[in-house]
Amino acid sequence: KNEVEQSPQNLTAQEGEFITINCSYSVGISALHWLQQHPGGGIVSLFMLSSGKKKHGRLIATINIQEKHSSLHITASHPRDSAVYICASVPLGGATNKLIFGTGTLLAVQP
Amino acid sequence: NAGVTQTPKFQVLKTGQSMTLQCAQDMNHNSMYWYRQDPGMGLRLIYYSASEGTTDKGEVPNGYNVSRLNKREFSLRLESAAPSQTSVYFCASSTKRYRGEGTNYGYTFGSGTRLTVV
Repeated sequence: KNEVEQSPQNLTAQEGEFITINCSYSVGISALHWLQQHPGGGIVSLFMLSSGKKKHGRLIATINIQEKHSSLHITASHPRDSAVYICASVPLGGATNKLIFGTGTLLAVQP
Repeated sequence: NAGVTQTPKFQVLKTGQSMTLQCAQDMNHNSMYWYRQDPGMGLRLIYYSASEGTTDKGEVPNGYNVSRLNKREFSLRLESAAPSQTSVYFCASSTKRYRGEGTNYGYTFGSGTRLTVV
């Protein structure tokens, strides 16, 4: 059974700090998503990656397929980055791209 | 704006009442999904539709039914609501495109429906 685990569950940072959120999964995947959810809000897809590294603004996502591990980094964090960050894997061999979700990391960035 | 539209955004039901959550996407995606989100748990798949005309059970289908009305619309019905169905419900749609760097599963979520069953 594929399981997705995130760490930490909760994270508090000061504005400007470099932040790392980790995600590990137990079986082979074809892709991994990083999602962002603001309190009471909808879910937005930040990245989808199947290898290597992707960057968008202050956000960087990396994945190591062999180690079954991915990280989301936020550089120069800002209070507007406060949200729940969720990783979700797409298992290999699925007939359709059903995601398996981690439980999320609640990030609070204080000014 | 292109995306996934869910209605209603909020709903309170009494135990035993029925209701239908509506979802529509205008991105020409083939696959659509219904998830529920509960505190302390990751999103869990209720039902999905890989393509128009097909539907399949996900991880937690009991107490729900779905209809893929056409390519755009995928509805979720609660026939007899129970307090255990109090949750936030998300509809999503996706495509599957192959690019040089690998498969891209374009994935878009609706804004959610907060349902309370009393």
